[in-house]
Amino acid sequence: EVQLEESGGGLVQPGGSLRLSCAASGFSFSNYNMNWVRQAPGKGLEWVAYISSSSSNIYYADSVRGRFTISRDNGQNSLYLQMNSLKDEDTAVYYCTRDFETMTTRIPADYWGQGTLVTVSS
Amino acid sequence: QSALTQPASVSGSPGQSITISCTGTINDIGRHDYVCWYQQHPGKAPHLIIYDVNNRPSGVSSRFSGSKSGNTASLTISGLQAADEANYFCSSLTGSTTPYVVFGGGTSLTVL
Repeated sequence: EVQLEESGGGLVQPGGSLRLSCAASGFSFSNYNMNWVRQAPGKGLEWVAYISSSSSNIYYADSVRGRFTISRDNGQNSLYLQMNSLKDEDTAVYYCTRDFETMTTRIPADYWGQGTLVTVSS
Repeated sequence: QSALTQPASVSGSPGQSITISCTGTINDIGRHDYVCWYQQHPGKAPHLIIYDVNNRPSGVSSRFSGSKSGNTASLTISGLQAADEANYFCSSLTGSTTPYVVFGGGTSLTVL
């Protein structure tokens, strides 16, 4: 069974930093690209960052580029999101998602974790 | 402002069918067939119900179906059930690296 479990969320002041983790199990983590997607309270979904299976390709949303860093450790089956210079508008539930890709199919989020809440407030 | 436009809410009675639209542009929905739909119950994570416009993952009811015409994708739920009451989000890959994927703002489905 595919499982993704996020951790590391919490309350942080504007300008502060936080590191999110996502522990993956039930599939061959090193073979899959991964994403972080967030959802502000009562709002829609927003894609945050993408990392390919070997970390050779990394993409960011304009809203977080230069402040957030996505990374992974395939030996530990873990995905990370280092968040610096946090702003009020970064307040959201952050989900890690598995990205499924074949020659004919592209699914940016076929499995989701339960999410971890990040609150940026003074 | 979400990149893809969905109606804020729809409603229907048990047994009826409803359709939720998702409008994008030539740069996302109109570019290819990598459109997904997700169901999200309150307090829960989103759950994939449609991928590649009209394919259902294993275990998803055949009452859920998808389609696309031009820059607009649609999700149809037939034989509405109380358990279908949830928020529904569409997504589309863009073909570029930023943004890699765009989402709709979500549609709240009420089963009357």
